[in-house]
Amino acid sequence: DTAVSQTPKYLVTQMGNDKSIKCEQNLGHDTMYWYKQDSKKFLKIMFSYNNKELIINETVPNRFSPKSPDKAHLNLHINSLELGDSAVYFCASSRTPGTGVGYTFGSGTRLTVV
Amino acid sequence: AQRVTQPEKLLSVFKGAPVELKCNYSYSGSPELFWYVQYSRQRLQLLLRHISRESIKGFTADLNKGETSFHLKKPFAQEEDSAMYYCALSGNGNKLVFGAGTILRVKS
Repeated sequence: DTAVSQTPKYLVTQMGNDKSIKCEQNLGHDTMYWYKQDSKKFLKIMFSYNNKELIINETVPNRFSPKSPDKAHLNLHINSLELGDSAVYFCASSRTPGTGVGYTFGSGTRLTVV
Repeated sequence: AQRVTQPEKLLSVFKGAPVELKCNYSYSGSPELFWYVQYSRQRLQLLLRHISRESIKGFTADLNKGETSFHLKKPFAQEEDSAMYYCALSGNGNKLVFGAGTILRVKS
């Protein structure tokens, strides 16, 4: 059983489109995160939700909107996609916010905007 | 502010050679420090955390508060150690901050 699963694994889309990436965790964790890994492999946090409540919102364009329908799911919706959005997006979860203990990552969604 | 610096983008060593991946951090409080590993096109996995002072796959890391460092070491590199290694810090900001990563290539 995959602990943190993301769909889709690959996403190729045109500029200007709107797309969503889904994330689900079956670990019973309270906190979920979205990280972006750019072409230089730099990992940067985008959002964090704790029990469906937004606790971290880094300086991310408001074209990116996270949604957490329940604490096991954290989806990422992106409007008006731009070339610079091309990256690998990782979802992660942890039992408590912030601590690196128990951060479990998904396998990533490779987004390519053409 | 929390900051993690990994000065080497790429470290290339021969099989059997010692490995040291450098990590320096900036944080005014008491940090929690971690090493994560990402094998080719796979998810990130926790390798080590300083609290547990453990050795995983032959790797160790010691927190040096005086030098604000948390270098990752292994006495004898193996080909299967080739991967991207990230140093990460957790302060009080409810988030894990990563360094830029170091690619380790172990040549036969």
